[in-house]
Amino acid sequence: DVKVTQSSRYLVKRTGEKVFLECVQDMDHENMFWYRQDPGLGLRLIYFSYDVKMKEKGDIPEGYSVSREKKERFSLILESASTNQTSMYLCASSGLAGYQETQYFGPGTRLLVL
Amino acid sequence: DAKTTQPTSMDCAEGRAANLPCNHSTISGNEYVYWYRQIHSQGPQYIIHGLKNNETNEMASLIITEDRKSSTLILPHATLRDTAVYYCIVRTTGTASKLTFGTGTRLQVTL
Repeated sequence: DVKVTQSSRYLVKRTGEKVFLECVQDMDHENMFWYRQDPGLGLRLIYFSYDVKMKEKGDIPEGYSVSREKKERFSLILESASTNQTSMYLCASSGLAGYQETQYFGPGTRLLVL
Repeated sequence: DAKTTQPTSMDCAEGRAANLPCNHSTISGNEYVYWYRQIHSQGPQYIIHGLKNNETNEMASLIITEDRKSSTLILPHATLRDTAVYYCIVRTTGTASKLTFGTGTRLQVTL
């Protein structure tokens, strides 16, 4: 059974703090993604990675960075959290081609920045 | 990726089949139809996808019309746990590309 896990379901941080969100997948997938989801705005892609140590900016990378040191792990970093980064963060992973390209999502991390 | 149109909401009685329609009239030949659902406050869950043939798995069936301009997701025996927002997405494969979720259909399963 496919499995994508995220380090926390709920997180409360203060403005200016450095925040780490971790995602782990056990499907040996090449591609991993970080999205955020906000009411009325749908899913927006922050960053994705197609291989270890490789990353590509998505639609809204400002204020975020990522790290992929191992194939199964993709971290999202908020260098200095701000209140407008309060959101639901979703990690997904997928394989390379055809049916393997289906993206599977983790349970999400609901982040509140005070 | 092609645009999709879905009804905003639908109701279904528990135990009955839920038929969720999706229009994708501008779909091109290499685009797949994907269905996901999202239960409140959880991550999206993959349900099924197909190119032109009908597909069935343990969760649902996907019926794609011959001209591929529309499709229907069928949950054969809906339960209360199937209450969720269902998203129909059309996308190409071959690249690590983002998923674009529209507003989806809010399915309410009732007793």
